[in-house]
Amino acid sequence: ETGVTQTPRHLVMGMTNKKSLKCEQHLGHNAMYWYKQSAKKPLELMFVYNFKEQTENNSVPSRFSPECPNSSHLFLHLHTLQPEDSALYLCASSTRGGNEKLFFGSGTQLSVL
Amino acid sequence: RKEVEQDPGPFNVPEGATVAFNCTYSNSASQSFFWYRQDCRKEPKLLMSVYSSGNEDGRFTAQLNRASQYISLLIRDSKLSDSATYLCAVNPPRAGNTGKLIFGQGTTLQVKP
Repeated sequence: ETGVTQTPRHLVMGMTNKKSLKCEQHLGHNAMYWYKQSAKKPLELMFVYNFKEQTENNSVPSRFSPECPNSSHLFLHLHTLQPEDSALYLCASSTRGGNEKLFFGSGTQLSVL
Repeated sequence: RKEVEQDPGPFNVPEGATVAFNCTYSNSASQSFFWYRQDCRKEPKLLMSVYSSGNEDGRFTAQLNRASQYISLLIRDSKLSDSATYLCAVNPPRAGNTGKLIFGQGTTLQVKP
């Protein structure tokens, strides 16, 4: 139990579907992140939220829409995805203040058909 | 040049062997450094931070060489359970006060009986 919970663990969706990924952290952290991990590629940062405010959008296509209602919850809304979006999507959290460590959730394995 | 680079391996070693991985980073002003361990189909988990003076945790030793811009991870007396992918992560200077990390591709270690 890492203190960061992601649901669902697995998701299969068609290109016209709308789905959402959910992340909740129980660590009292103030920063939350979405990372994408594709096969044979490094983890890619997608979005960063600090105290519910988005501080980074790493040139992510608009078919990915994040939402952070509070410091403990983070969502990633998915709409009209492409097959190349199939990947492991990882949520992470950290305290704020620099040099802090990331704690990851177990990820959502997404397959887009 | 990639911001963070690792030799993907795989490194195949017998039990009891000593193995070392390097990770190079391109931005000389990078601020903090970490090693993460990722098991197959699981999330990355923090293994250890890397301090300027070098640090050790049991069989694991991490070192930072700022002049040559690389970090290293040494594993002594390898165990079967050490088999995993080891990711290095760097906190670049533009990250400011967030835990934004840039990850390497990962180095896969297979420890054989």
